Amino acid sequence: DGGITQSPKYLFRKEGQNVTLSCEQNLNHDAMYWYRQDPGQGLRLIYYSQIVNDFQKGDIAEGYSVSREKKESFPLTVTSAQKNPTAFYLCASSPLAGVNNEQFFGPGTRLTVL
Amino acid sequence: SQQGEEDPQALSIQEGENATMNCSYKTSINNLQWYRQNSGRGLVHLILIRSNEREKHSGRLRVTLDTSKKSSSLLITASRAADTASYFCATGVYGNNRLAFGKGNQVVVIP
Repeated sequence: DGGITQSPKYLFRKEGQNVTLSCEQNLNHDAMYWYRQDPGQGLRLIYYSQIVNDFQKGDIAEGYSVSREKKESFPLTVTSAQKNPTAFYLCASSPLAGVNNEQFFGPGTRLTVL
Repeated sequence: SQQGEEDPQALSIQEGENATMNCSYKTSINNLQWYRQNSGRGLVHLILIRSNEREKHSGRLRVTLDTSKKSSSLLITASRAADTASYFCATGVYGNNRLAFGKGNQVVVIP
């Protein structure tokens, strides 16, 4: 998990509320990613960013939003439009936005909607 | 879209035995990577094999890649209790700056 921090570790939200998950990296990596993990479904890509002030939708972007104002930060907002937000959220980064690079993961945030 | 798909069978083995798991994919790839995830934690990169490589070793890990069959295998030799985890394969595709992860394969090593 070194170099990438996610907070909080556990997050509880009431239905209808927006919530923002934090992801910070001190690895000087260009690319950052957000994944959602549900039991038995592996990792699904929500959003990714290859450079500051730029980001692209992944496979399941609906109900989520991101920003990339600083190289080291890539926060994810789970909006009330996300119908089933309870999941484990993982942030990752890689040195360059290229497919040959390994990704470094944070410890994750477990979000539960009450 | 998901490309990597591990053999869905969960694996339970005795300490000291070898563990093998497989991954198949559908399209041409640039590279294939294996990751480990301990329960409730983030993923840790294990090994990357490029499309022009057939076999790669890292410590007790051995990865093979067969591009004609669009499949890869991960072998863990002389398993330890600490190897208990879920193992994911992920594929990188030419011209696409993202990885596609499979669903994972859970391995339990019994001391």
